[in-house]
Amino acid sequence: DSGVTQTPKHLITATGQRVTLRCSPRSGDLSVYWYQQSLDQGLQFLIQYYNGEERAKGNILERFSAQQFPDLHSELNLSSLELGDSALYFCASSPSMVSVQPTDTQYFGPGTRLTVL
Amino acid sequence: AQKVTQAQTEISVVEKEDVTLDCVYETRDTTYYLFWYKQPPSGELVFLIRRNSFDEQNEISGRYSWNFQKSTSSFNFTITASQVVDSAVYFCALMGAGNNRKLIWGLGTSLAVNP
Repeated sequence: DSGVTQTPKHLITATGQRVTLRCSPRSGDLSVYWYQQSLDQGLQFLIQYYNGEERAKGNILERFSAQQFPDLHSELNLSSLELGDSALYFCASSPSMVSVQPTDTQYFGPGTRLTVL
Repeated sequence: AQKVTQAQTEISVVEKEDVTLDCVYETRDTTYYLFWYKQPPSGELVFLIRRNSFDEQNEISGRYSWNFQKSTSSFNFTITASQVVDSAVYFCALMGAGNNRKLIWGLGTSLAVNP
C-alpha cells in the first residue's frame, strides 16, 4: 500500500458526461501528479500540483481540469467525455519539488478505471 | 526531447529462469533520474528503484538487480530465478532535473513467468 488513495476505483459513464476523480496524497506529501494510462498511448503525464498551485502541464485536454485543495487532496475533472477518454487514471504524490531527494520518488495510488460508453 | 524505449514488448520465461528487461533513454539533461515501476495484473503501479544520473553503481535487491550504464544510455533490470509472482508489466521512466517533475515513460515490458 503506497499510502495514496484514489476514489472511485471504477467509473462507468456515458459520452458527454462529466466526472470527478479524487486523490488523497500520502501524509506529508505536497506534490500531486495525475497520469493517464491508455492502451494506445501508454502512460502520459497530465498535470502536477504543488501545495495548491499548478506547477506543470502535460498532454492534458482542455476538457480536463484539476485542482489541489488546502488539505492537499486533489481532484481531476473530466468533462464532455468521449469514448477515447476511457483509461486508467493514476494519481501520484511526492514530498516536494524543491529538490529531488531519495524521498522524492512518486508513489502511485491504485488508479481509477474510467469507462465511457 | 526526452524519451524512454523499452524494445521488448512481451517476454515469456519458465520459472527459475533469469530474465533481463532492457531500457534505453534519451535526454539532454546532465542530471536526471531513472526509475523502474511494476504493474501487476491488479493494476497498481509499484515503485521498484530510482537511480540518479551521477551514481552509476549497480544495485542488487534480493532477486532484483539493475545495471545503469551512462555510456550506452541504458538502465537494464534483471530478475534472477524468476517466480510466477514476478508476472507483471514493468515500466522504465525518466525524470529531468528541472522544476517539472513529470515522469517520461517507456511503453512497458509484459513479463509472463510460467510454472
